[in-house]
Amino acid sequence: DSGVTQTPKHLITATGQRVTLRCSPRSGDLSVYWYQQSLDQGLQFLIQYYNGEERAKGNILERFSAQQFPDLHSELNLSSLELGDSALYFCASSVGAGGHKTQYFGPGTRLLVL
Amino acid sequence: DAKTTQPNSMESNEEEPVHLPCNHSTISGTDYIHWYRQLPSQGPEYVIHGLTSNVNNRMASLAIAEDRKSSTLILHRATLRDAAVYYCILSPRDNYGQNFVFGPGTRLSVLP
Repeated sequence: DSGVTQTPKHLITATGQRVTLRCSPRSGDLSVYWYQQSLDQGLQFLIQYYNGEERAKGNILERFSAQQFPDLHSELNLSSLELGDSALYFCASSVGAGGHKTQYFGPGTRLLVL
Repeated sequence: DAKTTQPNSMESNEEEPVHLPCNHSTISGTDYIHWYRQLPSQGPEYVIHGLTSNVNNRMASLAIAEDRKSSTLILHRATLRDAAVYYCILSPRDNYGQNFVFGPGTRLSVLP
């Protein structure tokens, strides 16, 4: 158990819909990262927040957005969903923002868009 | 783009040591070498990381070449639970604006 929690574990929805994925980081961790893992793309970094501020952006679509709240939990919002958005979404957290910091990953949310 | 090169797959027998190689010929002086592994249907799990010196922890050892252009993750006694995809990742200490880039990794199979 990494100490990072993600809800829900599974999500099934239809194309065009909007969903929100939630992540609670490990106690004391200020950085939160979101990753997407699909069969054809592998693990891809989406976005990072550090203490409430956006720190880095990866291959995140404009239809996707995220935020980190004052209590440090984070939400990833996916809208106008397409079949290709079906994937595992992982959240990770670390104490700081530097590249030498270990990232601890949650169990993931499996999204299926029908 | 991933800055590391790993074999696609490796096999090991249970209770034998496993050496997982990683090439990173373009590594810079501030790049840390991280190893993560991912078991089926689980999130990636931290294994070990280092900068210049060899590192040991309860899970594994990390051997870093003197020129730092390659490294090897060593599992001292493979168990069936070690069957996973192992990722070697470089990340600079001051990575503001950058992040972990996961390549395809090495799929390790452990035979009983």
